[in-house]
Amino acid sequence: GAGVSQTPSNKVTEKGKYVELRCDPISGHTALYWYRQSLGQGPEFLIYFQGTGAADDSGLPNDRFFAVRPEGSVSTLKIQRTERGDSAVYLCASSLKGGYYEQYFGPGTRLTVT
Amino acid sequence: AQKITQTQPGMFVQEKEAVTLDCTYDTSDQSYGLFWYKQPSSGEMIFLIYQGSYDEQNATEGRYSLNFQKARKSANLVISASQLGDSAMYFCAMREGRDGGFKTIFGAGTRLFVKA
Repeated sequence: GAGVSQTPSNKVTEKGKYVELRCDPISGHTALYWYRQSLGQGPEFLIYFQGTGAADDSGLPNDRFFAVRPEGSVSTLKIQRTERGDSAVYLCASSLKGGYYEQYFGPGTRLTVT
Repeated sequence: AQKITQTQPGMFVQEKEAVTLDCTYDTSDQSYGLFWYKQPSSGEMIFLIYQGSYDEQNATEGRYSLNFQKARKSANLVISASQLGDSAMYFCAMREGRDGGFKTIFGAGTRLFVKA
C-alpha cells in the first residue's frame, strides 16, 4: 500500500515568507508526528497528533510554527515569517496508534530559507 | 543532559563482518522503548528494531540484534554479516512512559561505511 507522502519535496523561500508543508499519512493511521532534521543531526520532535487534536506540541520552537490536522488524516505544518535557521528537512511519520507502535516516515520536505 | 548518546560519529566495517553501533540512554522512567532506525543517503528513515524496557530477551530482526543492558542503560545495535547496502546513518531513539509517550528522542547518529 501507499506509504507516507510529503509535499513539496523541496521548498526554497525567502526570509520572512510564509510556507506550508503537507503530510499525507498511511490510511488508517491515527497518530501523526512532525520532526525537523538539521544537517548532521538526528530528527528533532516537533508535534504529535492523535486523530485531529495535537496531543503534544511541546517541540514547536516558537509561535511562528503551527500545525493542523482538521480531519484526522492529512496534516499541514505552517511556518510564518521564516528565518534562515528554519532551513532543514521536515519529516512526517505516522503510526497505527500512538505509544510504542512503529512509526513510518515520509521522504521529507527540504526547506531552504534564503 | 542528553537523553540518547551515540559516541561513534563514523564506523568502518569490512563486508561480511559484524559491527556494533553504540547507544546509551538516560531516563528515570521504568517504562520506555528503544528503537533503531537506518537512514540511507536517499533520506528516508527505516525502522529496524525495537526493544521494550520490560522485555527480558534481546530483540532480533534478521541480521539485526539489539544488545540491551538495562543496568548500564545501553542498547547497542549489532549488524551481522554486513552488506554494502548497510552503508547509511543509524539512529538510536527512545520513547518514555507507560503508554510510550508522544515524543521520540533521537541520538545524533552513527554513519556506517561498509568496505568491499
